[in-house]
Amino acid sequence: GNSVTQMEGPVTLSEEAFLTINCTYTATGYPSLFWYVQYPGEGLQLLLKATKADDKGSNKGFEATYRKETTSFHLEKGSVQVSDSAVYFCALIMDSNYQLIWGAGTKLIIKP
Amino acid sequence: DGGITQSPKYLFRKEGQNVTLSCEQNLNHDAMYWYRQDPGQGLRLIYYSQIVNDFQKGDIAEGYSVSREKKESFPLTVTSAQKNPTAFYLCASSPGTRVTDTQYFGPGTRLTVL
Repeated sequence: GNSVTQMEGPVTLSEEAFLTINCTYTATGYPSLFWYVQYPGEGLQLLLKATKADDKGSNKGFEATYRKETTSFHLEKGSVQVSDSAVYFCALIMDSNYQLIWGAGTKLIIKP
Repeated sequence: DGGITQSPKYLFRKEGQNVTLSCEQNLNHDAMYWYRQDPGQGLRLIYYSQIVNDFQKGDIAEGYSVSREKKESFPLTVTSAQKNPTAFYLCASSPGTRVTDTQYFGPGTRLTVL
């Protein structure tokens, strides 16, 4: 079946460090890929998405590129801030249905 | 402001009792969803609805029921048949015309069974 695998957390970085959170997927076909973020005490919100291979999603300084050859959608940011501390979820959806398949989430902690 | 509201934020229930979680949206979205979030796990889909008076089971529908009598409302009932109901429940909606539409989430309800 379809699935998403994320790197385990927590990931702890200092402010202004470079961030990578790995996400790989297994899917029969060509999914659309998403990164959602859950800030402390808040609901989930979409961070970025990519709907076809080689697309790059970007938002708030975060980027992720849809790599079909490696079935990956790694999240990156060049310089993280304390306010980026949150739980990040990678997810996919197939064209055939409305069901998002979620990774387990990666908790990011940024220290000043 | 447009958005999704869930109530209550915290809910406690005794074993053997049914309980209903509220979800309302004023975004005029066609599709609505219920997810369950457990610690260390991704979200799992319980039910979803693409139009009024129609809904489909997700991966973990057993022990849950829903209704969609109005476009803006999608209540979830956790029945006594749900073996491990203590969890964080998230409601979402999307415009619903395409599967790639962004899903917008409510703030969630944390249910604890005593």
